[in-house]
Amino acid sequence: QLQLQESGPRLARPSETLSLTCDVSGGSISSSDYYWGWIRQSPGNRPEWIGSIFYSGTTHYNPALRSRATISVDTSKSQFFLKLKSVTAADTAVYYCARQTFRWLVPRYIGSWGQGTLVTVSA
Amino acid sequence: EIVLTQSPGTLSSSPGERATLSCRASQRINNYIAWYQQKPGRAPRLLIYDASSRASVIPDRFSGSGSGTDFTLTISRLEPEDFAVYYCQQYGSSPLTFGGGTKVDIK
Repeated sequence: QLQLQESGPRLARPSETLSLTCDVSGGSISSSDYYWGWIRQSPGNRPEWIGSIFYSGTTHYNPALRSRATISVDTSKSQFFLKLKSVTAADTAVYYCARQTFRWLVPRYIGSWGQGTLVTVSA
Repeated sequence: EIVLTQSPGTLSSSPGERATLSCRASQRINNYIAWYQQKPGRAPRLLIYDASSRASVIPDRFSGSGSGTDFTLTISRLEPEDFAVYYCQQYGSSPLTFGGGTKVDIK
């Protein structure tokens, strides 16, 4: 059974870079059937898609975060990563990693989610 | 960016009742809509994709319909475990976006 586990610092300082790792187990990160994505949800709000990556390294980003977000993958470790630079209090959220289907190389719905990790941006 | 508007914001119902949740898209998205259930402190769970296909192990009391801009999630008979927040998500156009959610609570 697929498991996704987020890890990383729970606290980030304003203007610094938030870094998270997602460990994938119970399924192959090198599968040609899925994208791997990051979604966040600030308290009381709707989820927000950050971006997604294919095992080959092809990425898609939300334009609202494209200038600050970088998603990468290490297939040898079955991990993918999120870096979000120049964070502010508005980036405080639960960050989820996820597995997504795709069609025509474009990510679609989210079939599996990690449990999420709350990252707080505060001085 | 496609905006999804969900209604009602809150639906107060009793166990055994039928619940009908709506999601309207600002542009046509064919049938590229998914529905998720989220309980407090938990990740969302996929219920429906492609507007009307049930995800694996989802009970058949959950059904989806619609195409174009108007979509509906129906819960035929509410069970106690169904009281939660429901989100729609579109994948007809990038960026992927979510609706604001409908909270189904106990009357």
